[in-house]
Amino acid sequence: EAQVTQNPRYLITVTGKKLTVTCSQNMNHEYMSWYRQDPGLGLRQIYYSMNVEVTDKGDVPEGYKVSRKEKRNFPLILESPSPNQTSLYFCASSLGPVRAQSFNNEKLFFGSGTQLSVL
Amino acid sequence: RKEVEQDPGPFNVPEGATVAFNCTYSNSASQSFFWYRQDCRKEPKLLMSVYSSGNEDGRFTAQLNRASQYISLLIRDSKLSDSATYLCAGRPGSARQLTFGSGTQLTVLP
Repeated sequence: EAQVTQNPRYLITVTGKKLTVTCSQNMNHEYMSWYRQDPGLGLRQIYYSMNVEVTDKGDVPEGYKVSRKEKRNFPLILESPSPNQTSLYFCASSLGPVRAQSFNNEKLFFGSGTQLSVL
Repeated sequence: RKEVEQDPGPFNVPEGATVAFNCTYSNSASQSFFWYRQDCRKEPKLLMSVYSSGNEDGRFTAQLNRASQYISLLIRDSKLSDSATYLCAGRPGSARQLTFGSGTQLTVLP
């Protein structure tokens, strides 16, 4: 089954304790991305990757790191989590890259989300 | 001003009603618009792409109005199962990624 797998589903941690949220897709997608979702603010992009070893900052990258060593995996790393990073996180992927009128390339498939609480 | 804006609602409508949402975008060069559906605390799922000529999928119709810079989603004959948050997304200008609106919450009442 084609899917984006995110783990863990729920995570409670304390300030400053490094954590990693894993994301894996089995659709051979080039494009992967991380979002956080907060009430009233919608989905905000943290980082994205156009392909292996290519990553770029999104709108809210501060406090996060990512890596793309393999096409299928795109982990999100919080080196020193803080309470303002408490949020619902989604990983997503799409065929990519963007081409004119290529709706299929841009359709995003999301993981089931990670609810992170930083105390 | 946000690049993509939506009325957050909530919209409460009776079963069988027709309801429409709009989503405005600020960058006139924006391309590639989509509507996503999100159930409470779950992942967004693609509902429809929005083509320049408009498109229809069963009870759902999506339209793009470039002159006024908005996209719309029309739901006819609302079902209880349509209750969800609807997110619009667009790709501003030459940007490489989609920008999402904050979502419009719909509740269909029996």
